[in-house]
Amino acid sequence: GIQVEQSPPDLILQEGANSTLRCNFSDSVNNLQWFHQNPWGQLINLFYIPSGTKQNGRLSATTVATERYSLLYISSSQTTDSGVYFCAVNRDDKIIFGKGTRLHILP
Amino acid sequence: GAVVSQHPSRVICKSGTSVKIECRSLDFQATTMFWYRQFPKQSLMLMATSNEGSKATYEQGVEKDKFLINHASLTLSTLTVTSAHPEDSSFYICSASAARVRGNQPQHFGDGTRLSIL
Repeated sequence: GIQVEQSPPDLILQEGANSTLRCNFSDSVNNLQWFHQNPWGQLINLFYIPSGTKQNGRLSATTVATERYSLLYISSSQTTDSGVYFCAVNRDDKIIFGKGTRLHILP
Repeated sequence: GAVVSQHPSRVICKSGTSVKIECRSLDFQATTMFWYRQFPKQSLMLMATSNEGSKATYEQGVEKDKFLINHASLTLSTLTVTSAHPEDSSFYICSASAARVRGNQPQHFGDGTRLSIL
């Protein structure tokens, strides 16, 4: 089946820093979503981005479907950005989550 | 918009009890709902997909008789963990989509239910 790999697995940054999270997938997909799971377990939609670039405040995402990867950019990090970031892809009626990037922003 | 409410948020009960978890789409019609299970510090694992009015489709390795799913309306799906045991303790999360075919619309997640079986 399709493989979804996220990198890095863990990231510790100082408040105010920028970061780039990556999601690689092994085959073509119907769509891709980025989620943030906060320390309380809540999953928050960040982007629904099968291709192209989208921006929402300090966050932006780019998916290059032909090269099978997506990037999530976080600028001027805040402590509330801490948590786990997941990408999830859809392919042929299957949903596959990556293992996530655990982000910890230090005050 | 696109709010999904999941209830209860936490359940602690004795072994052998059956537990029902509700997932409601508050401001859109959820043609398809999904149930996930998440172990500590791990990713989400899809358990089953339910389409309104149809039987749920379970992923390989998920016991249908253990995890009963009902999707009787376009705004409500329920997951019942029957005769729960300590190994069923986990974080259960539902999501909903307005699409009948997965992939055409984004998924919107509930806040999860933390189930602890003593």
